[in-house]
Amino acid sequence: AQSVTQLDSQVPVFEEAPVELRCNYSSSVSVYLFWYVQYPNQGLQLLLKYLSGSTLVKSINGFEAEFNKSQTSFHLRKPSVHISDTAEYFCAVSGSNTGKLIFGQGTTLQVKP
Amino acid sequence: DTGVSQNPRHKITKRGQNVTFRCDPISEHNRLYWYRQTLGQGPEFLTYFQNEAQLEKSRLLSDRFSAERPKGSFSTLEIQRTEQGDSAMYLCASSFGTGLPEAFFGQGTRLTVV
Repeated sequence: AQSVTQLDSQVPVFEEAPVELRCNYSSSVSVYLFWYVQYPNQGLQLLLKYLSGSTLVKSINGFEAEFNKSQTSFHLRKPSVHISDTAEYFCAVSGSNTGKLIFGQGTTLQVKP
Repeated sequence: DTGVSQNPRHKITKRGQNVTFRCDPISEHNRLYWYRQTLGQGPEFLTYFQNEAQLEKSRLLSDRFSAERPKGSFSTLEIQRTEQGDSAMYLCASSFGTGLPEAFFGQGTRLTVV
């Protein structure tokens, strides 16, 4: 069975400060890893993904995540956050042929001015 | 293509009534998924289709829930005899499948059972 643990339920941070949202997973098989972002009353938007290859993946809006197989982690980072980054962030793992996603509980990123 | 479309966006129903939600996936995608998300939680998998075949159902999907995907295009999720515990956001996602596993989500249908 697979599971995902997001270690922080809420992360408050000031605008232009760096941030890290932590994600650990467990799986007995090779996995694909994803970060999704959700704004209030909206669906989920794919932020970035690790499928294979380079362990450091980047999004177009400055987020990056690093796949660490030995530590079973996929932490999300951004060097300088904006007010508009305020949202709920979900880490997810997919390891089956079905593409079914297992999500963490989510981390609320609150960016303060 | 404008992405995954879900209708309605909001539904308020009385306990005991039946409700049906619709999902239109991205047209080239052959896989379609339903998830349920309650307040403060991550989405939970309900069921998945490969084309028109329903290949997996979660234990969360009680006998009151049924999903279909006729002709492998749009999908419907029906809940019979709704209960207050069914109140949640119901999310639909689609993907190409093997080789391109990333799923794209719709805006969701928020169900409130009163």
